[in-house]
Parts: sequence; structure tokens; C-alpha cells
Amino acid sequence: DTGVSQDPRHKITKRGQNVTFRCDPISEHNRLYWYRQTLGQGPEFLTYFQNEAQLEKSRLLSDRFSAERPKGSFSTLEIQRTEQGDSAMYLCASSPQGAIQPQHFGDGTRLSIL
Amino acid sequence: ILNVEQSPQSLHVQEGDSTNFTCSFPSSNFYALHWYRWETAKSPEALFVMTLNGDEKKKGRISATLNTKEGYSYLYIKGSQPEDSATYLCAQKGSSNTGKLIFGQGTTLQVKP
Repeated sequence: DTGVSQDPRHKITKRGQNVTFRCDPISEHNRLYWYRQTLGQGPEFLTYFQNEAQLEKSRLLSDRFSAERPKGSFSTLEIQRTEQGDSAMYLCASSPQGAIQPQHFGDGTRLSIL
Repeated sequence: ILNVEQSPQSLHVQEGDSTNFTCSFPSSNFYALHWYRWETAKSPEALFVMTLNGDEKKKGRISATLNTKEGYSYLYIKGSQPEDSATYLCAQKGSSNTGKLIFGQGTTLQVKP
């Protein structure tokens, strides 16, 4: 059983650089979610896709952030001109269609901005 | 604005103790309540999804109850084991149309052998 896969696991970069993360969901899941988690807090919702359509975006997702899921399979999250405050764990989750389905999470990408 | 709160923030118990934590959420705009277990260096693991007032779910030694009228859920662990050490997160879903889960800050449980 392959779960949700995220790459890379860790990313260290200098302030002002662009970074891109990838998420491969569980293959039969058509819904994909991105969350951000900072120390001592629960995950915060960023955005949600159903197939290739981006259906919801949080106000946390500033214009420096963009997410795509071009073919309805894997997704990428890009952060442009990174800032210190972007340091966090970025979590991806997927679920099958259905309002009461649990979301299955990947291990996350830990981003550190120097 | 939805605000999900968990208490206590952290808990230390001895192996064999039973324990419980609380998740409070606004009872308006309620659709479902999720519980997750998140062990260090692993991914969050789904434990339960609960929707109905009075709902009770069980998985091994872990069980959860739901009161949607007063806006709280309890998670119980019977006979805690060291492998139960983790952060336990609850999350509220506000409607059937949203994909968004609103998480509490978590309760970190440490079980000492």
C-alpha cells in the first residue's frame, strides 16, 4: 500500500529564493489538500483540489504561493521570494470523494529559511 | 470564525494509566469531527471521523465520543502504553462542501514505562 508521498523531506534555502514541493497522493484518491504546520500549532489549511480543479484557497495563501495539480494526479506547491515566516512543515493529504472521508497525510516537507 | 481548542496541551502518564483529552469546537457550522494521531517523524494517522451527536467510536484501546450540541469531543485511551506517545489532533469540518479541516493545537501525550 503506497501512501501519500512528499518530496523533498527537508529543504533549506536562503531568504528570497523560490522553492517547489511535490506531493503524490494515494492513486485512487481524487481529492488533494495542502496544509502548513508551525511549532506548537495544528496544521493550517492552505488549499484543496478535486481532480485538477483548485476548489478552495485559504487567505493564508498569499500571491507568493501557488499550487497546481495539472493532470489530477500529483501536485506541486511553489513559494516565490521566500521569507523567514515561511519556515514550517508543509503537509499534503489526499482522500477519496465523499464528505466524511478521512484525509490521509504524507510525512511532510520541512522548510527552513536562512 | 471557527476555533478548535484542545486540552490539556500536554500530558505525562505512567504505563497502564487510562487517560482522556478534550476537543472543543463551535457547535454552529458543524459537519464532522476528525481525530488524528501524529507520532514524531511520521505522518498524521486518521483515527476517527464522527458526525452524529452522541456518536461513539472505538479502535482497540482508543475510543472517542461526540457532543455536537455543546461542542466537544473526548478521546479516551485505556491502559496507556509507551507506543501511545504521540500528539493527538482533532479537526472540525464545517460543511459538506468544504475540503478544509480546522485543527486544534493538539495534545501531546508522553507515556512512561
